[in-house]
Amino acid sequence: QVQLVESGGGVVQPGRSLRLSCAASGFTFTNYAMHWVRQAPGKGLEWVAVISYDGNEKNYADSVKGRFTISRDNSKNTLFLQMNSLRREDTAVYYCARDRDTDMVNWGQGTLVTVSS
Amino acid sequence: QSVLTQPPSVSGAPGQRVTISCTGSSSNIGAGYDVHWYQQLPGTAPKLLIYSNINRPSGVPDRFSGSKSGTSASLAITGLQAEDEADYYCQSYDSSLSGYVFGTGTKVTVV
Repeated sequence: QVQLVESGGGVVQPGRSLRLSCAASGFTFTNYAMHWVRQAPGKGLEWVAVISYDGNEKNYADSVKGRFTISRDNSKNTLFLQMNSLRREDTAVYYCARDRDTDMVNWGQGTLVTVSS
Repeated sequence: QSVLTQPPSVSGAPGQRVTISCTGSSSNIGAGYDVHWYQQLPGTAPKLLIYSNINRPSGVPDRFSGSKSGTSASLAITGLQAEDEADYYCQSYDSSLSGYVFGTGTKVTVV
């Protein structure tokens, strides 16, 4: 079955960096675009970024553009999110999700990122 | 600030029918982009409930149905059950933002 397992979350000071990973299994990773979606405590879902199946196309929400970078290693079935210049408002659970046809058909369990001094 | 607007909450008695609206604009739903719905049970990750406006993934009960018209979409739950208590989100694509958008979310309560 499809599994998406996020890791790399934790507590980080404002202005610092953090790198999230998402290990994928149970499907042909190289065939699918992948997303990052976040959810601040007690708030709704916010789309963060998407990367094409081959990594050549990337798109970001305005709130993270220029600070976050999405990437993937298809040889290792792993998705990444490099988060730089973190702000308190980036505090959230970060989910990775598999794209099908603009819908997000599978989700990981999420990893919590807390930006605090 | 989301570009897709949902009512904050809806409630119903067991067995009743409830509907959740998702109102967008000419750059997302009205532009013809598909609407998808997700269910998020307390403390868990979201789960795809309806895709491409009207389709149910395998395993989703037929009590859940979706529709789309103009710049809006709706999710209906018939025969409401206690296990349906959750947050529900619509999602689409927005050409003005060149990105994906979620609705504001709706909490369903079974009273």
